[in-house]
Amino acid sequence: EDQVTQSPEALRLQEGESSSLNCSYTVSGLRGLFWYRQDPGKGPEFLFTLYSAGEEKEKERLKATLTKKESFLHITAPKPEDSATYLCAVQVLVYNQGGKLIFGQGTELSVKP
Amino acid sequence: SQTIHQWPATLVQPVGSPLSLECTVEGTSNPNLYWYRQAAGRGLQLLFYSVGIGQISSEVPQNLSASRPQDRQFILSSKKLLLSDSGFYLCAWSARTWDSRGNSPLHFGNGTRLTVT
Repeated sequence: EDQVTQSPEALRLQEGESSSLNCSYTVSGLRGLFWYRQDPGKGPEFLFTLYSAGEEKEKERLKATLTKKESFLHITAPKPEDSATYLCAVQVLVYNQGGKLIFGQGTELSVKP
Repeated sequence: SQTIHQWPATLVQPVGSPLSLECTVEGTSNPNLYWYRQAAGRGLQLLFYSVGIGQISSEVPQNLSASRPQDRQFILSSKKLLLSDSGFYLCAWSARTWDSRGNSPLHFGNGTRLTVT
């Protein structure tokens, strides 16, 4: 069964305290791994797509990496505005039916000033 | 640029009442469309997806249904709501044209918060 697991469920950091979020997955036919940011009461906002092991993507204080079984979202010197829930999803391609995303439960990040 | 609209933003409905949530996409043609539900403190669960007008695939058996009467319109419905239907409903779209690696990110609307009382 395709499965995506994120850890920790919640993470509290002080401003400037770097850390990492984990996303592990077991899927057949992985087509891509996605990271999203979700603010309270809003829809998820797309951050990154990773395609293959060893790939890295960066955006401001965020860097996403991918191995064969997991992905990490590294947050360097976070600021309070980075507080949000970060969702990981893997895309399984269904022939002629589009790509379905399977989501993890998310990591709720809180950055205190 | 592409935009996705969902309405209403919030909805409170009694048990047994009907439901209709609407989603429209602008700025793209032939999108794949999706309905997800997010329960409090949980991840997103795929409910329905559509690759074209009138083509609906259901992921989870339930008392909800979806329809796609136009290329860029996706509707989520129920004839009689249950308490368990409460949640945050998200519509999303992705491009039909895959990139060279076969991937196409999903882009979400801002959701509808449904409370069934």
